[in-house]
Amino acid sequence: QVQLVESGGGLVKPGGSLRLSCEASGFTFSDFYMSWIRQAPGKGLEWVSYISSVNTIYYADSVRGRFTISRDNAKNTLYLQLNSLRAEDTAVYYCARDRRTQWLPTSDFDHWGQGTLVTVSS
Amino acid sequence: DIQMTQSPSSVSASVGDRVTISCRASQGISSWLAWYQQIPGKAPKLLIFAASSLESGVPSRFSGSGSGTEFTLTISSLQPEDFATYYCQQTSSFPLTFGGGTKVEIK
Repeated sequence: QVQLVESGGGLVKPGGSLRLSCEASGFTFSDFYMSWIRQAPGKGLEWVSYISSVNTIYYADSVRGRFTISRDNAKNTLYLQLNSLRAEDTAVYYCARDRRTQWLPTSDFDHWGQGTLVTVSS
Repeated sequence: DIQMTQSPSSVSASVGDRVTISCRASQGISSWLAWYQQIPGKAPKLLIFAASSLESGVPSRFSGSGSGTEFTLTISSLQPEDFATYYCQQTSSFPLTFGGGTKVEIK
């Protein structure tokens, strides 16, 4: 069965950095596009970043220039490097499998990880 | 960016009630819309894709409709496990955007 397991969250000071990981199993990771989505405490969902199977990348304006998405298909792992963190980046970060393909250009998320909490505070 | 607006922000209902949630896009998105259910402390779950297609394994009491800018999620007969927050998402254009959520509460 499809599994996505995030790790790497924690408490970090403003201006600090973290690297989140999402280990995938139960499907051919290299075939799928992936996204990171976050949810601040008590708030709604916010899409953060996307990476295609051929490394086409998009970012939300709120994180562009500070966050970097990447993937290692040999390790079945998705990453999100978070730099220059701000208090407003505090959230649970989810990785999600994106069903977009080159023939079906629609990003709905059929599998999600359990999330990893990033807290930015001094 | 495409803004997604959900209404109402919360609704109180009883088991067996019919519940309807609306989602409006700031510009036309054809049928590129998904609906998710989120139970507190859990990850969101995909219910509906392409505005009206039921995701595999999702009960048939959930249905979606609409196209262009106006969309609806309907729960035909609310069950105890359906008390949750529901989000719409436009799935077409980057940045991908979600509605603000509708919390379905027990009356």
